[in-house]
Amino acid sequence: AQTVTQSQPEMSVQEAETVTLSCTYDTSESNYYLFWYKQPPSRQMILVIRQEAYKQQNATENRFSVNFQKAAKSFSLKISDSQLGDTAMYFCAFMKPRDSNYQLIWGAGTKLIIKP
Amino acid sequence: KAGVTQTPRYLIKTRGQQVTLSCSPISGHRSVSWYQQTPGQGLQFLFEYFSETQRNKGNFPGRFSGRQFSNSRSEMNVSTLELGDSALYLCASSLEGLVYEQYFGPGTRLTVT
Repeated sequence: AQTVTQSQPEMSVQEAETVTLSCTYDTSESNYYLFWYKQPPSRQMILVIRQEAYKQQNATENRFSVNFQKAAKSFSLKISDSQLGDTAMYFCAFMKPRDSNYQLIWGAGTKLIIKP
Repeated sequence: KAGVTQTPRYLIKTRGQQVTLSCSPISGHRSVSWYQQTPGQGLQFLFEYFSETQRNKGNFPGRFSGRQFSNSRSEMNVSTLELGDSALYLCASSLEGLVYEQYFGPGTRLTVT
């Protein structure tokens, strides 16, 4: 069974700093998707970034980028120039789109606090 | 385009009762997934519907059920509520062919007393 582990329950950084959130996963699959989702205090879950396992290039979305290490099964999220609005729970998630099974498997989350 | 909507946003029920939660996906999205979020268990997949058929199911007891209508709206039902069913229930929708890109609703906060 696939598992996703986020080892940092909480992190806190100053505004404008760069922060990296860690995620490791376990799977025997070769083709899968990895995601970072953000859940602000208002609760709406928002997709931050997606990585397809067959792509070697790390995904980037504006200030958000990932470091995808397939062999190490590591998928960290880097937030550059952090802003107060980045304060949220961040969840790492895994999907194995085989046999029409599209369920997301989630990590426990990291609470990120951006301080002014 | 309107986002995923869920009703009601908050619900308080008594142990033993049943409850129905509703989810309206983004227009054009035919896949709807449901997740349960609790402080203890985190986020767990309940089930996924596509074209009115349950395509996948998570590891939850039979008290949890769902359905999808021809307009892709989905409902989930929990019968014989237990205190442990208190949770945030999230619904997500996606386009067929892009099912890896799930868009979430605001959730329904269910409290069982």
